[in-house]
Amino acid sequence: DVKVTQSSRYLVKRTGEKVFLECVQDMDHENMFWYRQDPGLGLRLIYFSYDVKMKEKGDIPEGYSVSREKKERFSLILESASTNQTSMYLCASTSPGTGARQPQHFGDGTRLSIL
Amino acid sequence: GDSVTQMEGPVTLSEEAFLTINCTYTATGYPSLFWYVQYPGEGLQLLLKATKADDKGSNKGFEATYRKETTSFHLEKGSVQVSDSAVYFCALGNTNAGKSTFGDGTTLTVKP
Repeated sequence: DVKVTQSSRYLVKRTGEKVFLECVQDMDHENMFWYRQDPGLGLRLIYFSYDVKMKEKGDIPEGYSVSREKKERFSLILESASTNQTSMYLCASTSPGTGARQPQHFGDGTRLSIL
Repeated sequence: GDSVTQMEGPVTLSEEAFLTINCTYTATGYPSLFWYVQYPGEGLQLLLKATKADDKGSNKGFEATYRKETTSFHLEKGSVQVSDSAVYFCALGNTNAGKSTFGDGTTLTVKP
């Protein structure tokens, strides 16, 4: 079974701090994703990556950056945390697949509170 | 671009009731369709999938049929249990890059 592990289930940080959210997958997947989930807004894609050192902006990249130095690890960085970044953050991974499109495999999420 | 529209919630049912959560999509080409489930405090997990027209995905008593003519992928279960209480997301995958488009989610509460 694919395992996607997010480093923290709960995190509390202060406004202005630089925050790192880590995600590791164990299935050699090329594609990794960061979402945030807020009540009434569903899942919104922040950034994704097709390969090591590659990244693409999603729908809401402002205030975030990412790092993919190794294939199994995809980090989300809040450069200067603000209270409106309080949210549930979900990491996911998938393989490109051949023919049929592949589902995504999700971590358990990090609930981040910015005070 | 691609989009997914699913039935607004929340949905509240009594145990053993029949469940339908509607999902329709807009996409070019031949997407795969997915239903994910999110239990409280957890991430999303794949519930079922269908990769081509008329395919039926099924798992844990849930079923959904890929209907290309109506661009729909409605989720059904004949008899829900309290343990089915969760948020359900309909999604489509339309590129080899693995990027998916998600619906907004439907919260299901099943009462004993």
